[in-house]
Amino acid sequence: QKEVEQDPGPLSVPEGAIVSLNCTYSNSAFQYFMWYRQYSRKGPELLMYTYSSGNKEDGRFTAQVDKSSKYISLFIRDSQPSDSATYLCAMSARYGGATNKLIFGTGTLLAVQP
Amino acid sequence: EAQVTQNPRYLITVTGKKLTVTCSQNMNHEYMSWYRQDPGLGLRQIYYSMNVEVTDKGDVPEGYKVSRKEKRNFPLILESPSPNQTSLYFCASSFVPNTEAFFGQGTRLTVV
Repeated sequence: QKEVEQDPGPLSVPEGAIVSLNCTYSNSAFQYFMWYRQYSRKGPELLMYTYSSGNKEDGRFTAQVDKSSKYISLFIRDSQPSDSATYLCAMSARYGGATNKLIFGTGTLLAVQP
Repeated sequence: EAQVTQNPRYLITVTGKKLTVTCSQNMNHEYMSWYRQDPGLGLRQIYYSMNVEVTDKGDVPEGYKVSRKEKRNFPLILESPSPNQTSLYFCASSFVPNTEAFFGQGTRLTVV
């Protein structure tokens, strides 16, 4: 079993839809949770960063962490064609712990249709 | 502008011909790492470096070498490339290993 599971998609939605992207994980030591966006032929860029449980909002993007369920989500409101990309979740444990690095999901390909 | 710069962006080479992919960051980050990205497998860490002269293997180190002689540079060396090393490679840097990583633009390598 992978430490981080992410549905690869593709996920196709119409412009203006609310998008929900999700990851599950198995390591209860994970405390830091990130979402990266990767456009075709580009490097991943950090979109959202959260520590421990709770919600974080940034413009049209909301990141949610539910540590009790080992489940994280990224919501995109009023989705735009420019949001079409692969979205990678990443997570890690406390610095100095056994898993001293970022663990990535395989990514979900999102296509927002105009 | 804060950035991680990789070169070259695209490279086609033949089996066995040594090559180096350069990586440089301007954020004074101590931690740097190399990943390869393959369809269905996601990002896999090849090597990482905690600081100058401190490097260690990641999850898929076979066939690769690295060095860290200066804080800003972390080149990836393929001494004898093989076709199974055809992949998309990313260099990344961060202040500490388990927080926000900044990625380069990627190097698409094809070994024939």
